[in-house]
Amino acid sequence: AQRVTQPEKLLSVFKGAPVELKCNYSYSGSPELFWYVQYSRQRLQLLLRHISRESIKGFTADLNKGETSFHLKKPFAQEEDSAMYYCALIPGTYKYIFGTGTRLKVLA
Amino acid sequence: DTGVSQDPRHKITKRGQNVTFRCDPISEHNRLYWYRQTLGQGPEFLTYFQNEAQLEKSRLLSDRFSAERPKGSFSTLEIQRTEQGDSAMYLCASERGGDSYEQYFGPGTRLTVT
Repeated sequence: AQRVTQPEKLLSVFKGAPVELKCNYSYSGSPELFWYVQYSRQRLQLLLRHISRESIKGFTADLNKGETSFHLKKPFAQEEDSAMYYCALIPGTYKYIFGTGTRLKVLA
Repeated sequence: DTGVSQDPRHKITKRGQNVTFRCDPISEHNRLYWYRQTLGQGPEFLTYFQNEAQLEKSRLLSDRFSAERPKGSFSTLEIQRTEQGDSAMYLCASERGGDSYEQYFGPGTRLTVT
């Protein structure tokens, strides 16, 4: 079955510490993978897409097909990074599959 | 353009009643999605439109749910004979189309079935 797994419901880190939000997917084809973010009292919005290979707000994510992972990383967390992060997969059609999300708390 | 809008923002209804939600996408966006989100879960895909054509519908969706997008602009999602399990946030998102895969989400409609 096509699935996105985000194993951590909550991740707390101190300001300036590195961050890694885990995402694993289950899909036998070539996936389209995304990270969406929802800041407090804001709408869900796209953070980055694997194919663009851009760094957005200091975040990067590398697709590892061998491990079927698409972990989100940032070398130095900032307080404004505190938000809910969702990993999402498009398994060949336009039907997005979202993970359950990880709440990132960056502590001062 | 103020982005994707949804109406109403909140809806409280009694079990067995029908409810209808509206989504106005960003103009020129030809893809439109409906999702349902419950506490502690990510958005769950319900259905997708390319212009006015409903191209995919989740198998999780019962026959009580129906969606339309007449003329390829706004969309409505109707739930008939609501059940308490339908209580959730209903999200709408639109996308420009082509190989643009950036979804713009609306604020959602929170449904409470009593």
